[in-house]
Amino acid sequence: KAGVTQTPRYLIKTRGQQVTLSCSPISGHRSVSWYQQTPGQGLQFLFEYFSETQRNKGNFPGRFSGRQFSNSRSEMNVSTLELGDSALYLCASSLEVFAGYGYTFGSGTRLTVV
Amino acid sequence: DQQVKQNSPSLSVQEGRISILNCDYTNSMFDYFLWYKKYPAEGPTFLISISSIKDKNEDGRFTVFLNKSAKHLSLHIVPSQPGDSAVYFCAASGANQGGKLIFGQGTELSVKP
Repeated sequence: KAGVTQTPRYLIKTRGQQVTLSCSPISGHRSVSWYQQTPGQGLQFLFEYFSETQRNKGNFPGRFSGRQFSNSRSEMNVSTLELGDSALYLCASSLEVFAGYGYTFGSGTRLTVV
Repeated sequence: DQQVKQNSPSLSVQEGRISILNCDYTNSMFDYFLWYKKYPAEGPTFLISISSIKDKNEDGRFTVFLNKSAKHLSLHIVPSQPGDSAVYFCAASGANQGGKLIFGQGTELSVKP
């Protein structure tokens, strides 16, 4: 079956712009989480959605937001981009909200802010 | 405050030998621990997990040990293969935190033929 699909794979944006990243989970998976990976901070949790509701949120400013649609697809948005937002953004999906199952990650969207 | 720490940024082992990757945590409320493997330009791949009520979980060549009193877990890979060369992350999740995983900084494993 198809894995977690993230689009686009690469993105270059200018400071001050906004960006929307998309994530299609594995068919049947209802939980979607987002992570930011940077060399300095490692993998950091952004937020998690389950059945269109945000279940958890990490320690990121309000410029970072997300949503989940009825088909479980998710988007995250970053407004007023800063150079420090350059990172690999990873989406992960799971059947339920239960860490013991393990989450399946997509290949990520590499965002570069110039 | 880094709640999950992998103190060794890199590890090199010979093919066929055992690889031991270590992870320490500070939060005693974590109830699940997971190991992920990551190749460049790919997302992390789930390897193995362990509940806080267990002290060992095994899956093929991979075994995870949990020492709650020391707040320490380790991943053993036996025997190590060149294809195991990747960055390994340990992660932890607390009760009712669901998909919120706290990751360590990762250990880059190199298995030499």
